[in-house]
Amino acid sequence: AQSVTQLGSHVSVSEGALVLLRCNYSSSVPPYLFWYVQYPNQGLQLLLKYTSAATLVKGINGFEAEFKKSETSFHLTKPSAHMSDAAEYFCAVSGDTGGFKTIFGAGTRLFVKA
Amino acid sequence: NAGVTQTPKFQVLKTGQSMTLQCAQDMNHNSMYWYRQDPGMGLRLIYYSASEGTTDKGEVPNGYNVSRLNKREFSLRLESAAPSQTSVYFCASSSRGLGNHEQYFGPGTRLTVT
Repeated sequence: AQSVTQLGSHVSVSEGALVLLRCNYSSSVPPYLFWYVQYPNQGLQLLLKYTSAATLVKGINGFEAEFKKSETSFHLTKPSAHMSDAAEYFCAVSGDTGGFKTIFGAGTRLFVKA
Repeated sequence: NAGVTQTPKFQVLKTGQSMTLQCAQDMNHNSMYWYRQDPGMGLRLIYYSASEGTTDKGEVPNGYNVSRLNKREFSLRLESAAPSQTSVYFCASSSRGLGNHEQYFGPGTRLTVT
């Protein structure tokens, strides 16, 4: 079985500060990991994904995430927050076991203060 | 390309009424999904269709039915709506069901059941 835990339902940062959104996963098979972003009143869109190539994954809008197997983590970071980064972020896990399901975390809402 | 489209965008139902949510994708994807999003719970899978002609239950299928009409279209039906089905519903598609493929989401349907 697979699961995802996002630490912190809300995170607030100042514009220009580091963004760190935490995600821990549980998986009995090598995982595929994703970060999605949801802007108000929109669907989710992919930020980045890990599929067993490089452990440091770069995504859109300056975000990146590092896969750490020993810590079962896939935290999302951005060096300098911008007002336009305010949104809800979802970490997700799936496994290539022949199943078709992706498990989503509960989400972290990011607030960016001017 | 329109991507994934959903109709309607908003709907208010009375308890016991029925309705069908429509979803279509123009990316020639094999797999399609229906999720519901509730505050603090992330996305929960209702039903999915790994390929045309097949459908399977997800995490929360009770009270719902689906039809994979053709490769493009995947509809979700509420036969007798209940207040517990008040939620935002998202349709998604992916090129293959295997876990390493990202999903593309529609804009969502906001459903209120009174």
